[in-house]
Amino acid sequence: QVQLQESGPGLVKPSETLSLTCAVSGGSISGGGFLWSWLRQHPGQGLEWIGYIYSSGSAFYNPSLKRLVKISVDTSKNHFSLRVNSVTAADTAVYYCARTDGNYYHFDYWGQGTLVTVSS
Amino acid sequence: EIVLTQSPGTLSLSPGERATLSCRASQSVPSSYLAWYQQRLGQAPRLLIYGTSSRATGIPDRFSGSGSETDFTLTISRLEPEDFAVYYCQQYGRSLTFGQGTRLEIK
Repeated sequence: QVQLQESGPGLVKPSETLSLTCAVSGGSISGGGFLWSWLRQHPGQGLEWIGYIYSSGSAFYNPSLKRLVKISVDTSKNHFSLRVNSVTAADTAVYYCARTDGNYYHFDYWGQGTLVTVSS
Repeated sequence: EIVLTQSPGTLSLSPGERATLSCRASQSVPSSYLAWYQQRLGQAPRLLIYGTSSRATGIPDRFSGSGSETDFTLTISRLEPEDFAVYYCQQYGRSLTFGQGTRLEIK
């Protein structure tokens, strides 16, 4: 059974960089047919897709967030990461990582989520 | 960007009743690219349905999905207590977007 686990600081100061890592277990991140996504959910709100990455390192982003976001992958450590630059209070959210079906683009396994608060 | 609009915003029903949740797209969505998720309070979302009508692994057969083009439906045939949660539809077009959610609450 594939498991994903987010890790990173729970508190980030405004204008700084938010960095999170998603560790994948129970399967190889290099295994064919899957992409690896980050999503977020603002408090009391719906879900927002941030972007996904192939194990090759090619990444695709939500156009509304593309300018400030970068996703990277480390296949040797079987994890992938998210960076959000110049954060504001609007970036306060629960951040999820998820495995994404490479043919039909649904999210079949999710991490438990990690709350990141942007505050001075 | 394709916008998904879910209705109703909140649905109040009793255990044992049938629930019908709607998801309407601003443009046609290929049926392969429409999915539904359940999110219980304090938990991560869980995949229920993908490809409009295929149940994900371990999902009970009281959950079913249907629809095409711009109109999609999630049906729960007989509500169990654990089904009261928020439900989201999701599509893949040039981007990946979600509906705003339907809250299914106990009447």
